[in-house]
Amino acid sequence: EIVLTQSPATLSLSPGERATLSCRSSQSVGTYLAWYQQKPGQAPRLLIFDASNRATGIPARFSGSGSGTDFTLTISRLEPEDFAVYYCQQRFSWPPLTFGGGTKVEIK
Amino acid sequence: QVQLVQSGAEVKKPGASVKVSCKVSGYTLTEVSIHWVRQVPGKGLEWMGGFDPENGKAFYAQNFQGRVTMTEDTSTDIGYMELRNLRSEDTALYYCATVSTGVPLSFFDPWGQGTLVTVSS
Repeated sequence: EIVLTQSPATLSLSPGERATLSCRSSQSVGTYLAWYQQKPGQAPRLLIFDASNRATGIPARFSGSGSGTDFTLTISRLEPEDFAVYYCQQRFSWPPLTFGGGTKVEIK
Repeated sequence: QVQLVQSGAEVKKPGASVKVSCKVSGYTLTEVSIHWVRQVPGKGLEWMGGFDPENGKAFYAQNFQGRVTMTEDTSTDIGYMELRNLRSEDTALYYCATVSTGVPLSFFDPWGQGTLVTVSS
């Protein structure tokens, strides 16, 4: 089973600041990694697929990078609606599909 | 675009079974297939299982093997997840999510609204 480790667990930032979230895999997943955003009381939403491709309707301030075992989600300038929990997920090897533990981006 | 609507909240006693449904619209269940993800309140996302979009075979996470059955009714475009022998630790939000068929497994987009299952005596 591929284990995904996200860091930090919580990121405290102000609107307008840059957010950098990390996802590290226990073995290479190539670029078969996605990022999801989950706001309180809502289902997760796909942001980034295959490491660096924005999903339909996702603003350009969201970008993904990385390959192999180290991945990054960057939010260039935080908007109020971006404060949420972010999860990474791999599809390189399944079953099982696996998610990271999540990073909460909170308002400082 | 694909939209998913799940069945309503359930309250079950320990040892009972629950069957959650997920209605697909905008596409058919020959064009997309369904996976299920669980989220214990305040915790992260846990994949439960789903269908290989290339051959239609169901795969389940080891944690749920023997207790879960996932099915898809292509005549109604409704997917189902049945979880048996419920225990208090199964209290969670259960989400369905879709992937495209006929190609290697993609990522989950979109997701249903979630169904809260509460297990309590």
